[in-house]
Amino acid sequence: DAMVIQNPRYQVTQFGKPVTLSCSQTLNHNVMYWYQQKSSQAPKLLFHYYDKDFNNEADTPDNFQSRRPNTSFCFLDIRSPGLGDAAMYLCATSRSNRLNEKLFFGSGTQLSVL
Amino acid sequence: GQNIDQPTEMTATEGAIVQINCTYQTSGFNGLFWYQQHAGEAPTFLSYNVLDGLEEKGRFSSFLSRSKGYSYLLLKELQMKDSASYLCAVRDLLTGGGNKLTFGTGTQLKVEL
Repeated sequence: DAMVIQNPRYQVTQFGKPVTLSCSQTLNHNVMYWYQQKSSQAPKLLFHYYDKDFNNEADTPDNFQSRRPNTSFCFLDIRSPGLGDAAMYLCATSRSNRLNEKLFFGSGTQLSVL
Repeated sequence: GQNIDQPTEMTATEGAIVQINCTYQTSGFNGLFWYQQHAGEAPTFLSYNVLDGLEEKGRFSSFLSRSKGYSYLLLKELQMKDSASYLCAVRDLLTGGGNKLTFGTGTQLKVEL
């Protein structure tokens, strides 16, 4: 059974039209992350939540926002998508920040911007 | 910051052994992970090294040398299903908690008959 679930698998939006990607987890993990992965590039961390505490990466554009209403759900909001925001968006979780804690990834949402 | 280098592509034969190298230059180090990612799918965890030496798990082994900033992933008895991208990632502690994994761009492995 999938433990980190992302919906939808594929999302198409228009240039400048707000879009929300969702992620849910059944692992009851404390930490949830959003990564952006463009074609043939490394996944890049956008931000993460440790419980309710939001932590933004310094180079994440203001266009990207996130919400975590409860332990299980986390959302990625792109306020005004540009063509350069087309990418795979990966949600991941970890139980804590212990040294050997691994990240569990969802299957990703492939975002296209027209 | 972190800089992680790994070869872009490798090709190997079914049944053979392949070694995928990863070098890193980092401002901090709290462990190195290897993930496997099939096209269009999520990365899945393969191995974790924080101390020098070899970690073996079935057909997969991972080696770390912290003094050299070097790791490799060794895949034995290659199968066609091993064709995937292999991502090397260095862990750092995040301000506010959590793990920050900085990923390399991945090595695309193609297994041929």
